[in-house]
Amino acid sequence: AQTVTQSQPEMSVQEAETVTLSCTYDTSESDYYLFWYKQPPSRQMILVIRQEAYKQQNATENRFSVNFQKAAKSFSLKISDSQLGDAAMYFCAYRRNSGGYQKVTFGIGTKLQVIP
Amino acid sequence: DAGITQSPRHKVTETGTPVTLRCHQTENHRYMYWYRQDPGHGLRLIHYSYGVKDTDKGEVSDGYSVSRSKTEDFLLTLESATSSQTSVYFCAIRTTGTYSYEQYFGPGTRLTVT
Repeated sequence: AQTVTQSQPEMSVQEAETVTLSCTYDTSESDYYLFWYKQPPSRQMILVIRQEAYKQQNATENRFSVNFQKAAKSFSLKISDSQLGDAAMYFCAYRRNSGGYQKVTFGIGTKLQVIP
Repeated sequence: DAGITQSPRHKVTETGTPVTLRCHQTENHRYMYWYRQDPGHGLRLIHYSYGVKDTDKGEVSDGYSVSRSKTEDFLLTLESATSSQTSVYFCAIRTTGTYSYEQYFGPGTRLTVT
């Protein structure tokens, strides 16, 4: 069974600085997707970034980028130039790439605090 | 915004009462999901649907049932609510197209069972 591990329950970062959130996963599959979701205090789950396992290039979305290490099964999220609005829970998620229904497995989340 | 709404947004109910949560989507997505979110557990899948009247169980389905009589609506029912079902419930849809197989979430429903 696939598992997703986020080993940092809480992190903090100074405004304008860079922070990296860790995620590791366990799978025997070679073709899959990885995601980072952000959940601000409003509770809305927001998709931040996606990574397709067959792509070696790390995904980037504005100030958000990932470090995808397939062999190590590691998928960390880097937030550059942190802003107060980045304060939220961040969830890492895994999904096998296959037709039909495929379960999405979520980590337990990392709470990010941004210090002014 | 994937056009997903949930109702109610907040509900307090008593143990033993039935509760129905509604998820409504406007973009004709085939796949819909119900999750619950609890501290220390992330999101866990309760039930999902892959079409009208086609549903299946997730990993934490005990005590829950679902129905989908129309593409746009996916209902989650707690037949007899218990305190262990106090949680935040999220509905999600799965997209197709360029970034297929991504899930987008509704705003959530906070349910408290007293």
